[in-house]
Amino acid sequence: DGGITQSPKYLFRKEGQNVTLSCEQNLNHDAMYWYRQDPGQGLRLIYYSQIVNDFQKGDIAEGYSVSREKKESFPLTVTSAQKNPTAFYLCASSIDHSAEYEKLFFGSGTQLSVL
Amino acid sequence: AQTVTQSQPEMSVQEAETVTLSCTYDTSESDYYLFWYKQPPSRQMILVIRQEAYKQQNATENRFSVNFQKAAKSFSLKISDSQLGDAAMYFCAYRNRDDKIIFGKGTRLHILP
Repeated sequence: DGGITQSPKYLFRKEGQNVTLSCEQNLNHDAMYWYRQDPGQGLRLIYYSQIVNDFQKGDIAEGYSVSREKKESFPLTVTSAQKNPTAFYLCASSIDHSAEYEKLFFGSGTQLSVL
Repeated sequence: AQTVTQSQPEMSVQEAETVTLSCTYDTSESDYYLFWYKQPPSRQMILVIRQEAYKQQNATENRFSVNFQKAAKSFSLKISDSQLGDAAMYFCAYRNRDDKIIFGKGTRLHILP
């Protein structure tokens, strides 16, 4: 079945540590996204990518980094510079804007907590 | 920069009644898409309904419909015949032609039996 897989489901970070959240899709979608969800804050865009080897900063990119070396993969690294990383992280993908049906397909999320 | 505002953090509705969730957005673009997503306690995001800005006709999906007022930059969601399974967080979202998609802060909907 086609879909988006995020792993791990739960992740713990120690102080000063970088951690990487995985996001893989087999939907052949061009665009991929990372969102952070905090209680009462909705979903805030961290980074998004429209094509391989290209990505754009969202509204809260500081302390995060991404790569898009393959169409199906869009990993997110939470660096030690992100001082408040505890949140629920959602990855999503979509056909590009030229497609007729453009909804986002979401993964099941990763809950990141600081030890 | 585009923004999406949901002014109702929480709402309640009696089962079988109708409820309307509000959403306003700010943009200087003329071509964009609007969405409502539902997030139940499982936290899995589910598309409820979408609307293209160039279409004047309001979108409908079974019990869900929107009131799209482009000049007012308003995109409200109406849920008719509310059911217990409709209880969730509802997010309004905006997508521009550069594929940037932003969300509002959400409205938590409670269904009263």
